[in-house]
Amino acid sequence: GENVEQHPSTLSVQEGDSAVIKCTYSDSASNYFPWYKQELGKRPQLIIDIRSNVGEKKDQRIAVTLNKTAKHFSLHITETQPEDSAVYFCAAAIGSNYKLTFGKGTLLTVNP
Amino acid sequence: SAVISQKPSRDICQRGTSLTIQCQVDSQVTMMFWYRQQPGQSLTLIATANQGSEATYESGFVIDKFPISRPNLTFSTLTVSNMSPEDSSIYLCSGTGTGHGEQYFGPGTRLTVT
Repeated sequence: GENVEQHPSTLSVQEGDSAVIKCTYSDSASNYFPWYKQELGKRPQLIIDIRSNVGEKKDQRIAVTLNKTAKHFSLHITETQPEDSAVYFCAAAIGSNYKLTFGKGTLLTVNP
Repeated sequence: SAVISQKPSRDICQRGTSLTIQCQVDSQVTMMFWYRQQPGQSLTLIATANQGSEATYESGFVIDKFPISRPNLTFSTLTVSNMSPEDSSIYLCSGTGTGHGEQYFGPGTRLTVT
């Protein structure tokens, strides 16, 4: 089955800096890659996603890039703010079944 | 996006008993799933809840332990049977909308087994 590796496990940045989280996946059939933000005690929230027919997608301060050849995708957060502090999960899914395989998560801390 | 609710939000149960968790979505979804998230860990898919038929379980999860029902498009239940302390976890349901497949999560049910 699919395996998703996520790095780093923890990331600490200063407010205003950029943060990058990287994921790799094992199954070349995966074609849907969402990112979730989970604050302590809350549900995972979908923040951005990308499909295999595009290489990059941007939504304000958040962007995701996908390299299908290398089987990796990344989350980029610019101009970080303290409210960006949370655990971020990447995930991958194959085809129309949308069964998500999650990475282990990255604890992002943005220091004021 | 779909609004998803779960009941109960938390429960403390005794070993050997069973708990049924309910999941309700506010709009028709094409697919519903159940996940488990142990404290400080990632999410693991338990099963896909299929409307009107048996759920599809992932490796390591079996119907006798985690029976699932989905009688209609907007409602599903997960039962955690014959519980042990190892079943202490957060159980989340999710739904995939009819748009582009985005998946949204319920708030979770925090289960503690003593």
